[in-house]
Amino acid sequence: GENVEQHPSTLSVQEGDSAVIKCTYSDSASNYFPWYKQELGKRPQLIIDIRSNVGEKKDQRIAVTLNKTAKHFSLHITETQPEDSAVYFCAASGGGGSYIPTFGRGTSLIVHP
Amino acid sequence: EAGVTQFPSHSVIEKGQTVTLRCDPISGHDNLYWYRRVMGKEIKFLLHFVKESKQDESGMPNNRFLAERTGGTYSTLKVQPAELEDSGVYFCASSPGLNTGELFFGEGSRLTVL
Repeated sequence: GENVEQHPSTLSVQEGDSAVIKCTYSDSASNYFPWYKQELGKRPQLIIDIRSNVGEKKDQRIAVTLNKTAKHFSLHITETQPEDSAVYFCAASGGGGSYIPTFGRGTSLIVHP
Repeated sequence: EAGVTQFPSHSVIEKGQTVTLRCDPISGHDNLYWYRRVMGKEIKFLLHFVKESKQDESGMPNNRFLAERTGGTYSTLKVQPAELEDSGVYFCASSPGLNTGELFFGEGSRLTVL
């Protein structure tokens, strides 16, 4: 089955800096890569996703890049703000005929004012 | 529109006891998923329902876990008897279709087994 590795486990930045979270996946057939944000005490929510037919997708201050050859994808947050502080989870699905996402371990992002 | 709701939000039980977690998906969502996150680890898949049918239960740890979705509406996940390693946050999620992308999560049920 699919295996998703996520790094770093914790990321601390100053407000205004950029943050990058990286994930690798094992199944080359995976074709859908969502990112979820979980604020403290709240539910995980989808913030951005990318499918395998594109290499990059942007939505305001967040962007995701995908390198299918290397089987890795990354989340980029620019001009970080304190409200970006949360746990971020990457996921991959579509491999082996399964549409059920396999998640990474999560990255706790702390943005210091 | 109401989101996915889970009950209880937190349960503390002793080893050997039974706990039942409940999930109400978004109305009209045929797909319902259970996941579990142990502290600091991945959100791990447990099982998937399509309506009332179990489509994939490959992630269920063992036969102490029983999930049901009677009538294809809400779902329950029972742990009996609970063990220490069952502690974690149990997330329920739903989606309208199987390959529509986004999963809509509940806030989770935190289970602590002492």
